[in-house]
Amino acid sequence: DAGVTQSPTHLIKTRGQQVTLRCSPKSGHDTVSWYQQALGQGPQFIFQYYEEEERQRGNFPDRFSGHQFPNYSSELNVNALLLGDSALYLCASSSSGTPLLGNQPQHFGDGTRLSIL
Amino acid sequence: AQSVAQPEDQVNVAEGNPLTVKCTYSVSGNPYLFWYVQYPNRGLQFLLKYITGDNLVKGSYGFEAEFNKSQTSFHLKKPSALVSDSALYFCAVRDIYNFNKFYFGSGTKLNVKP
Repeated sequence: DAGVTQSPTHLIKTRGQQVTLRCSPKSGHDTVSWYQQALGQGPQFIFQYYEEEERQRGNFPDRFSGHQFPNYSSELNVNALLLGDSALYLCASSSSGTPLLGNQPQHFGDGTRLSIL
Repeated sequence: AQSVAQPEDQVNVAEGNPLTVKCTYSVSGNPYLFWYVQYPNRGLQFLLKYITGDNLVKGSYGFEAEFNKSQTSFHLKKPSALVSDSALYFCAVRDIYNFNKFYFGSGTKLNVKP
């Protein structure tokens, strides 16, 4: 049973460029959340996708956008990259149909390390 | 608003000794609390959760956590530390409106020395 997979594992970009990160959720999961983890900090919620729509968004600018596909996989897009966007980007998946909603943990991928030069 | 705080950036303990990693929470309503561990260059792995019931929660790899409502704390504990427990530990609380949105603490680096 494959867990959450993310690609690529590492990425180097320059300021002003655009980047796309990809995530495949754990089998049986239909909800994908994206987090940004800056060095030395805890993960910060970016947004969440369910039924191919953005369901909730954290305190991130519109430069951060996403998409969810019919197979539940998801992409995170960041435009006009800034130095401060350098971070580990984590994808987490969960199931909307989980009994006793709220008591199940999210499952995380190993992340994409994005470095902006 | 929901939040958690981890007051210690780093905890050092000798192998075989008990360990405690501290977490306090601030939530409106009943808290759904979680602990995750992160190894270098890896994602977060679930350790344990508190939803309701017994205040002492047992989780993976011999870890347990004690929920204390009066002190609004959810400290992670292990009776006997292993060198392999050295990692970054995160406390998290679930959003009361969005079950799949978590708020994480800043993390505590656990160093277990042989």
